[in-house]
Amino acid sequence: QSVMTQPPSVSGAPGQRVTISCTGSSSNIGAGYDVHWYQQLPGTAPKLLIYGNTNRPSGVPDRFSGSKSGTSASLAITGLQAEDEADYYCQSYDSSLSGSRVFGGGTKLTVL
Amino acid sequence: QVQLQESGPGLVKPLGTLSLTCAVSGGSISNNNWWNWVRQPPGKGLEWIGEIYHSGSTNYNPSLKSRVTISVDKSKNQFSLKLSSVTAADTAVYYCASGTYAGLGYWGQGALVTVSS
Repeated sequence: QSVMTQPPSVSGAPGQRVTISCTGSSSNIGAGYDVHWYQQLPGTAPKLLIYGNTNRPSGVPDRFSGSKSGTSASLAITGLQAEDEADYYCQSYDSSLSGSRVFGGGTKLTVL
Repeated sequence: QVQLQESGPGLVKPLGTLSLTCAVSGGSISNNNWWNWVRQPPGKGLEWIGEIYHSGSTNYNPSLKSRVTISVDKSKNQFSLKLSSVTAADTAVYYCASGTYAGLGYWGQGALVTVSS
C-alpha cells in the first residue's frame, strides 16, 4: 500500500480536460519534497512527464501541467488525445522512510 | 543521450538470489546521477527498490533493505541488483533508471523475472 494515494482510474473524452490527484502527508509532499509525474504507455517503461512539481522535460507537450499544494499534487491534461491513454504515477520522497523515493499507486487514464 | 539495458536470468528459484545488471551507454556512470532499480509486479504499480551513486553511497527501500544489495562497477560502466531469499511475490518486471532529485529521466526497457521452481 502506497503512502501516496491516487485514484485508480479517470476518464475523459477527446478534447476534454482531466486531472489526476496525488494525496500524501506531512512526511512526504507536505514536508516540501518535490513531486514528479511519470507516464507509462501500455507495455513500455515509464517516462518522466513532469519534474519538480511543475516543470516539463523537453519534448513533453504543454497540454500536460503539474501543481502542488499542501500535502497534495495534481497532474492536469488538457485537449485530451487518444494517445494519452496510459497509466500515470506520482513520485516523491518520504522522511518516515529514511528519505526513500516513493510512488503513488498509479492512475489508469481512459480516453473515451 | 543515456541508454540503459537490463540483463540477467528471467527465472529464479524460490529462496534463491535474483541478480540483474544494468549497462549504461551514452554517458558515464560517474556523472551526477543516482542509479536506481524499480520493479512492477504483473498488473500492479511501481515499487522503488533502491539507488546507488558512483561513490558507492546507497539508499534502499526499508521494506526490502534486508534482502537488497546494489553495487556499481565503474570500469564496466554498469550497476547491479541482488535480491536474496526471493518468493513468488518478487516476480515482476525490473527496471533500471537514472536521475537526480529532479526525477528519473532515463529508464531501461525492463526485464521480467519470474520466481518459480
